[in-house]
Amino acid sequence: AQSVTQLGSHVSVSEGALVLLRCNYSSSVPPYLFWYVQYPNQGLQLLLKYTTGATLVKGINGFEAEFKKSETSFHLTKPSAHMSDAAEYFCAVSATSAGNKLTFGGGTRVLVKP
Amino acid sequence: GAVVSQHPSWVICKSGTSVKIECRSLDFQATTMFWYRQFPKQSLMLMATSNEGSKATYEQGVEKDKFLINHASLTLSTLTVTSAHPEDSSFYICSASTTQGTGIGQPQHFGDGTRLSIL
Repeated sequence: AQSVTQLGSHVSVSEGALVLLRCNYSSSVPPYLFWYVQYPNQGLQLLLKYTTGATLVKGINGFEAEFKKSETSFHLTKPSAHMSDAAEYFCAVSATSAGNKLTFGGGTRVLVKP
Repeated sequence: GAVVSQHPSWVICKSGTSVKIECRSLDFQATTMFWYRQFPKQSLMLMATSNEGSKATYEQGVEKDKFLINHASLTLSTLTVTSAHPEDSSFYICSASTTQGTGIGQPQHFGDGTRLSIL
């Protein structure tokens, strides 16, 4: 079984400040990890993914995440927040043993203050 | 690439009617499609998984006779909410993935969702 915990349902940052969204996962098999972003009344857009290889993964819109197996974490960061980053962010885990089904965290809503 | 189109984006209908939602992969072959339901300010809840040409696999607690899923081709899956009632009002989102290559770790690509309101 797999599970995902996102610490903090809401995060408020100032424009230009660091964005840090925390994600911890639980998986009995090597996980595949994803970050998605959702804008109001829209579906989810893939930001980045980790499958194998390099543990620091770069995604779109300046986001990156680092897979830390020892900490079972996959935190998402962006050095400088932009107003357009205001959205809901979901961390998710899947495994081929689970038919590639995604298990989502509860989501973190990001508010960017001018 | 990897565009998923979902239609309609909004639907309002009377209680007791059936509503069909379409999910199309526009530029890739989707061997697997997923249907989710999302309540306000909550995460996505997987309803069912469908593979092209076979019956959908429903998650526990999801009524298969209420939510009919058809995945007749590699680019189209439909969700029909039968005899819809106000409690079925929600945001429904589909996603699609491919088993191209090894299929390992293939991301799901999401449609823009359908806002369903039953009066």
